[in-house]
Amino acid sequence: AQSVAQPEDQVNVAEGNPLTVKCTYSVSGNPYLFWYVQYPNRGLQFLLKYITGDNLVKGSYGFEAEFNKSQTSFHLKKPSALVSDSALYFCAVGTGGFKTIFGAGTRLFVKA
Amino acid sequence: DADVTQTPRNRITKTGKRIMLECSQTKGHDRMYWYRQDPGLGLRLIYYSFDVKDINKGEISDGYSVSRQAQAKFSLSLESAIPNQTALYFCATRGTGQLNEQFFGPGTRLTVL
Repeated sequence: AQSVAQPEDQVNVAEGNPLTVKCTYSVSGNPYLFWYVQYPNRGLQFLLKYITGDNLVKGSYGFEAEFNKSQTSFHLKKPSALVSDSALYFCAVGTGGFKTIFGAGTRLFVKA
Repeated sequence: DADVTQTPRNRITKTGKRIMLECSQTKGHDRMYWYRQDPGLGLRLIYYSFDVKDINKGEISDGYSVSRQAQAKFSLSLESAIPNQTALYFCATRGTGQLNEQFFGPGTRLTVL
């Protein structure tokens, strides 16, 4: 069965420091991986996706994600965190059909 | 104007009442989805539709029904609301192709008393 796990409920980081939000997945076949962000009182917004090609994917707002096939991971990263990055982040996997499986979400707090 | 809109944004109702949540989109996408979000559970799929004539159940469809009135409109109904249906509900759309990202509405916060 397809699944995605976000092992951390919350990540705390100081402004200006690098941040990492972790995601691991389990799929049969080629993985199609996504990151979304949810700000308070808003719907989810697409950040980036991995389909094929380079293992480092660049997305919106300075975020990037590293695909690691051997570790079945797709961690979200940013070199220098901003207070405005504080939000709820969701990792998701495409199932090869037309559905998407979402992780439980990781809340990121960036402290000034 | 927002590409995906949902009405109402907030709703408080009583157990046993029938309610409808509406979703409209201007993206021209064929695929539309309804999810519910609960703390610590992420998003769970209720129903999805590939076009007006194609409706499919998701993982948690019991107690819900949907109607795809047009390509741009996809409504979710709770026939007889119960308290454990209290949640944040999102509509989303997706362009043709399984590799495309989804576009989400702002959500409807539903409280069933």
